[in-house]
Amino acid sequence: RKEVEQDPGPFNVPEGATVAFNCTYSNSASQSFFWYRQDCRKEPKLLMSVYSSGNEDGRFTAQLNRASQYISLLIRDSKLSDSATYLCVAYSVKLTFGQGTILTVHP
Amino acid sequence: DAGITQSPRHKVTETGTPVTLRCHQTENHRYMYWYRQDPGHGLRLIHYSYGVKDTDKGEVSDGYSVSRSKTEDFLLTLESATSSQTSVYFCAISESSPSSYNEQFFGPGTRLTVL
Repeated sequence: RKEVEQDPGPFNVPEGATVAFNCTYSNSASQSFFWYRQDCRKEPKLLMSVYSSGNEDGRFTAQLNRASQYISLLIRDSKLSDSATYLCVAYSVKLTFGQGTILTVHP
Repeated sequence: DAGITQSPRHKVTETGTPVTLRCHQTENHRYMYWYRQDPGHGLRLIHYSYGVKDTDKGEVSDGYSVSRSKTEDFLLTLESATSSQTSVYFCAISESSPSSYNEQFFGPGTRLTVL
């Protein structure tokens, strides 16, 4: 079993849609969690850190459920520019990346 | 954008040849990392450094060595390249351990093909 698992998608949604990604982690000792965004053939860039109380940044909301060991990312009012791969990341001694979820937003 | 460069950006080499990839930063960050990214596996840590001459292995370190003689440079060497090392290699830096929500900044990547 992979330490961090994501549905690879792809998710194809129209502009304006709300889309949610879930991610599960197996290491209960994981301390910190992140969502990174990676555009095609580019480097990953931090989108959000995930706090235990959940956090919101504009159209993006991240939540953590330690009891069930999953992390979620909600994107509201999707834009064409949101098309990318979203990487779920857990930290315990080192960063462990999920394989990513592909999102395509179409007109 | 963080000041991280990687060289070369693309390389094609033959099995059995040595290859060195370079990561250079201008941020004076203490931590530097080398990852490889392959379809279906996500990013996997190869080696990392927590200071000059201080390095440690990651989860996929076999066949790779690293060196850090200066704060700004972190070299990844494939002593004898194999086809299984065909991948995209990313360097990353962070100011301190990511346990305190310190962001890792990634370089643009190096696409390596081993024939």
